[in-house]
Amino acid sequence: GIQVEQSPPDLILQEGANSTLRCNFSDSVNNLQWFHQNPWGQLINLFYIPSGTKQNGRLSATTVATERYSLLYISSSQTTDSGVYFCAVESRYSSASKIIFGSGTRLSIRP
Amino acid sequence: NAGVTQTPKFRILKIGQSMTLQCTQDMNHNYMYWYRQDPGMGLKLIYYSVGAGITDKGEVPNGYNVSRSTTEDFPLRLELAAPSQTSVYFCASSYKGASGYTFGSGTRLTVV
Repeated sequence: GIQVEQSPPDLILQEGANSTLRCNFSDSVNNLQWFHQNPWGQLINLFYIPSGTKQNGRLSATTVATERYSLLYISSSQTTDSGVYFCAVESRYSSASKIIFGSGTRLSIRP
Repeated sequence: NAGVTQTPKFRILKIGQSMTLQCTQDMNHNYMYWYRQDPGMGLKLIYYSVGAGITDKGEVPNGYNVSRSTTEDFPLRLELAAPSQTSVYFCASSYKGASGYTFGSGTRLTVV
């Protein structure tokens, strides 16, 4: 099945810094999503982005489907950005709309 | 509009016991999913459903069963609980397949 790799696995930054999280996937996808899991375990859907670029405030995401990767940008980091960021994809060859998660990037923002 | 509601939030089971994790959504979503998340790991798909009366296995279905008798409800049944099933379980739903998931708040299960 499709493989999803995220990098870096861990990232520690000072408040105000910018960061780029990467997601590589091994096969063609129908869609790709980015999620934030906060320190209390809640999962929030950030972007549905099978291709192209989207922006939402300080966050933006770009997916280059032909090269099988996606990037999540966080600018002017705040302590509330801490948590784990997951990339999840649906393989184009999936028999149903199942999404497969990467192992995540754990982001810690220091005040 | 409550979204996706999971109960209970916490549960401790003894080895060999059974239980049902409840999941209900009020968004009229046709797709529903159960995932488990082990410590420090990503989410693994257990079972999913594309509509009432239709269910299918995900990546890690062994030891679990599901049913989908209504659009709103998608319970997950654990039979003969084992320590390997200690995990956090998330239920999710979406309208157009995987185009935008809404997750419940999770059930933290410990099997001792």
